[in-house]
Amino acid sequence: DADVTQTPRNRITKTGKRIMLECSQTKGHDRMYWYRQDPGLGLRLIYYSFDVKDINKGEISDGYSVSRQAQAKFSLSLESAIPNQTALYFCATSDFGDGAEAFFGQGTRLTVV
Amino acid sequence: DQQVKQNSPSLSVQEGRISILNCDYTNSMFDYFLWYKKYPAEGPTFLISISSIKDKNEDGRFTVFLNKSAKHLSLHIVPSQPGDSAVYFCAAIRTGTYKYIFGTGTRLKVLA
Repeated sequence: DADVTQTPRNRITKTGKRIMLECSQTKGHDRMYWYRQDPGLGLRLIYYSFDVKDINKGEISDGYSVSRQAQAKFSLSLESAIPNQTALYFCATSDFGDGAEAFFGQGTRLTVV
Repeated sequence: DQQVKQNSPSLSVQEGRISILNCDYTNSMFDYFLWYKKYPAEGPTFLISISSIKDKNEDGRFTVFLNKSAKHLSLHIVPSQPGDSAVYFCAAIRTGTYKYIFGTGTRLKVLA
């Protein structure tokens, strides 16, 4: 089983709909992240969390919200999806320690029509 | 403003030759740098990292070089193999922030 699991893997939704992307991890890491990947733009940070009580906005948080339900679970919500939120979304975790590597889930491909 | 840049969107290299992927950054406060590889339909996977107190780190066929004065790092793959064909991202992190800032990626194609 994957250490960082994202559900769903693929989703098509309509403009204006609310959608939640879920992430769970078995690595025991406190730090969790949500990124989106767009062609030519790389991976951009949406939100990150260092524990259940610590949520921080990243570079592109507008239009998104998150919930850290437990150490192992970090969900990303699009309250009212719009077409330019069509992208590949990745959840990641990392351990404490300077320079610690981040571990990524397999991604969720979201299409907003 | 893009703090981490990979100016080459793509690179093609013959099998057995050296692949050199480049990355530039603007924030002198970054003190760790990482390289990730991404295959289609998979998440990025960690390759190699380097601390800003070093100028070189090696792991098998992969070597990362850091030039702090130029704010530039590069990943060398020698020899290149067809299985190395993927998108490569560099990332930077500043101690205490724990935010990984990624570049735009370079698609490497190793030709058999």
